[in-house]
Amino acid sequence: EPEVTQTPSHQVTQMGQEVILRCVPISNHLYFYWYRQILGQKVEFLVSFYNNEISEKSEIFDDQFSVERPDGSNFTLKIRSTKLEDSAMYFCASSELRADTQYFGPGTRLTVL
Amino acid sequence: GDSVTQMEGPVTLSEEAFLTINCTYTATGYPSLFWYVQYPGEGLQLLLKATKADDKGSNKGFEATYRKETTSFHLEKGSVQVSDSAVYFCALIDRGSTLGRLYFGRGTQLTVWP
Repeated sequence: EPEVTQTPSHQVTQMGQEVILRCVPISNHLYFYWYRQILGQKVEFLVSFYNNEISEKSEIFDDQFSVERPDGSNFTLKIRSTKLEDSAMYFCASSELRADTQYFGPGTRLTVL
Repeated sequence: GDSVTQMEGPVTLSEEAFLTINCTYTATGYPSLFWYVQYPGEGLQLLLKATKADDKGSNKGFEATYRKETTSFHLEKGSVQVSDSAVYFCALIDRGSTLGRLYFGRGTQLTVWP
């Protein structure tokens, strides 16, 4: 069964450093998403991406964040200068159609020291 | 705006007990409703879904019915197992929206004891 994959599973970084989180969505899916979950809190939407551009972003997704689909398979989330409060689990998801079922990857746990 | 409210946890049950996790929603449009499950140390897995009023989603013995009149999508299972211990998230997508983001509830931690 096709699945969303994410790398790395755990990333530790120093405050102020740049990090890139990688995702490989399901191959025939056209819509891509990033969500995050701070420990013990609800899952929060960050950004959606379709046709090589951002469709929607939340208030969390400020200028420190960017997304890219550098090739036909990868979808990346970059945090330019990490803060302590960026420590969270980051989930990538994809769907075949807009407003359709989203399938999630296993997540990347980001720890900012 | 769109939102999901879930019953607070944690929920602790004995094996073979009946489970209900309440979920209500607010949506400006016409939502699809989902339950996702997160097992310890893992990501979010789709458990079941329903896309229109009175639809019943079911999977692995879990069921939830889309109730438009009460704006609810409560999760039920007749006999829980230790392996059901996980965090359960209710979520919606507003299909009337052009955007398609998922709105999640806060999650309910379920622990099942043998």
